[in-house]
Amino acid sequence: EIVLTQSPGTLSLSPGERATLSCRASQSVSSRNLAWYQQKPGQAPRLLIYGASSRATGIPDRFSGSGSGTDFTLTISRLEPEDFAVYYCQQYGSSPRTFGQGTKVEIK
Amino acid sequence: QVQLVQSGDEVKKPGASVKVSCKASGYTLTSYGISWVRQAPGQGLEWMGWISTYSGYTNYAQKLQGRVTMTTDTSTSTAYMELRSLRSDDTAVYYCARSQWEYWYFDLWGRGTLVTVSS
Repeated sequence: EIVLTQSPGTLSLSPGERATLSCRASQSVSSRNLAWYQQKPGQAPRLLIYGASSRATGIPDRFSGSGSGTDFTLTISRLEPEDFAVYYCQQYGSSPRTFGQGTKVEIK
Repeated sequence: QVQLVQSGDEVKKPGASVKVSCKASGYTLTSYGISWVRQAPGQGLEWMGWISTYSGYTNYAQKLQGRVTMTTDTSTSTAYMELRSLRSDDTAVYYCARSQWEYWYFDLWGRGTLVTVSS
């Protein structure tokens, strides 16, 4: 099983600032099969990034993903008020599919 | 409108079973597989398994093998997840999520069904 470790656990930032979230895998993630999801309280997760760096339909270009192998990053270039949420990475290249434990981006 | 519509919240006693439904709307159910993901209160996301809505092939998380069954009814465009021998630590929001292939990302999620297990 591939274990995904996200850091930091909580990120305290102000609107307009840049957010950098990390996701490290315990073994290489095949074919960059890594996705990022955003979850707000009381809502289902929403797909942001797939294939490590491709934005899902309707996702603003302030969200970007990068990385390969075991190290992946989600960057939010300038935080908007609606971006404060919990973010999860997920690998979908092997079974079981696994998620990171999440990074909470909160308003400073 | 493309969406997954889940059944309502449930309260069950320990040892009972629960069956959650997930109806595909706005697209053809058999064009995509369905995964089930659960989230315990205040916790992260846990993948439970995947079903091919075309063939009925399933792949369950080892942790839940023997307690979970995923099925589909193509006549009503509905996927189902049944969990048996419920325990208190099965209390969670259960989500269905769509993926085009077995090893693929989840591009559409249902709103979730809260299952509470309590005596």
